[in-house]
Amino acid sequence: DIQMTQSPSSLSASVGDRVTITCRASQSIDIYLNWYQQKPGRAPNLLISTASSLQSGVPSRFSGSGSGTDFTLTISSLQPEDFATYYCQQSYSTPGTFGQGTKVEIK
Amino acid sequence: QITLKESGPTLVKPTQTLTLTCTFSGFSLSTSGVGVGWIRQPPGKALEWLALIYWDDDKRYSPSLKSRLTITKDTSKNQVVLTMTNMDPVDTATYYCAHRPHRTLNRVFDYWGQGTLVTVSS
Repeated sequence: DIQMTQSPSSLSASVGDRVTITCRASQSIDIYLNWYQQKPGRAPNLLISTASSLQSGVPSRFSGSGSGTDFTLTISSLQPEDFATYYCQQSYSTPGTFGQGTKVEIK
Repeated sequence: QITLKESGPTLVKPTQTLTLTCTFSGFSLSTSGVGVGWIRQPPGKALEWLALIYWDDDKRYSPSLKSRLTITKDTSKNQVVLTMTNMDPVDTATYYCAHRPHRTLNRVFDYWGQGTLVTVSS
């Protein structure tokens, strides 16, 4: 299995802050990296596919970059509704492993 | 509008077999490329990819759980069924099913069910 490692595991930030989350794959996954947002008690919500493609309806303050083994999710100006847990997922090969998650909390 | 909903027991005993059904609408599993997957999440923990079935009955499993999992589809009923044998308390989790738009061209889970919590306890 390809291992996905996110950092940090959690972070505290204030509204308006720029936030960056990193995801590293144990081997190259080209650009087959997706990002999901999950709020407590809810199913995950797809934000970004193929490393940098923003899904329809997702605010433009979210962006993704990277290729190969190193990827980032950036929130340019954190909003109250962005406090959640974020997961990366590789879809390069089966199983489509997820990272361990990054919890974004209010500072 | 695509929707998915998981159903099945909320409580199973250790060693029993779990059977979960995903009933969906808004798409067909006879459409080329389309798939439905299962993902689980133990309380307070990360997401775990379990299995995926495609329109052409191509089935993929997590290697670590492959011996315990079976995924099937009933296209006429718009359902996908996941069975997991020999359940253990560590299998306690919320189980989600999700829509995969395409096997190769769009490798995401873009619509998810609400999830169903399964507790394994005697």
